[in-house]
Amino acid sequence: AQSVAQPEDQVNVAEGNPLTVKCTYSVSGNPYLFWYVQYPNRGLQFLLKYITGDNLVKGSYGFEAEFNKSQTSFHLKKPSALVSDSALYFCAVRDNSGYSTLTFGKGTMLLVSP
Amino acid sequence: DAGVIQSPRHEVTEMGQEVTLRCKPISGHDYLFWYRQTMMRGLELLIYFNNNVPIDDSGMPEDRFSAKMPNASFSTLKIQPSEPRDSAVYFCASTDTSYEQYFGPGTRLTVT
Repeated sequence: AQSVAQPEDQVNVAEGNPLTVKCTYSVSGNPYLFWYVQYPNRGLQFLLKYITGDNLVKGSYGFEAEFNKSQTSFHLKKPSALVSDSALYFCAVRDNSGYSTLTFGKGTMLLVSP
Repeated sequence: DAGVIQSPRHEVTEMGQEVTLRCKPISGHDYLFWYRQTMMRGLELLIYFNNNVPIDDSGMPEDRFSAKMPNASFSTLKIQPSEPRDSAVYFCASTDTSYEQYFGPGTRLTVT
């Protein structure tokens, strides 16, 4: 069975500084990986995905993620954080059983201070 | 497209009452998922449908929970009878073959 680990419950960063939110995964076969963001009192919003190809994936709002097969990681990054990036971030991996289910990590709260 | 639509957005009910949550997926999406989110347990997959057929309901907590998808544009999640521990935010999501799921705004359920 597939699994996702987000080792940090919370990440604190100052506005303008680079940010990284960590994610590691376990899945049989080729991984399909995703990042979602959840703002307060909202549903999850899709940020980006890795299916195949370039290991550096660019997504919405200036976010990007780096797929590293040897380390089984898919860390979310942004060169310069904004206060408005403060939210809950989820990493997910797709089930390779043939159905489109996703296994989500427990989430990492990102707090960007002014 | 308006995205995934859920109703009601908020529901407050008393223990023992029946609760029905509704979802309209994005047109053309053939998968529909119901999730529950709580502080303690995070995001849990309850059940999902493919082409209106339930595929896996192993995440449904107990027999008090049931879900239906009578057609491609509508699904319900019912709790009968409701209990305080059912208080949570319930999300509906849909997808097609592009893999990423699109989530609705959620229904915040409070059972007193």
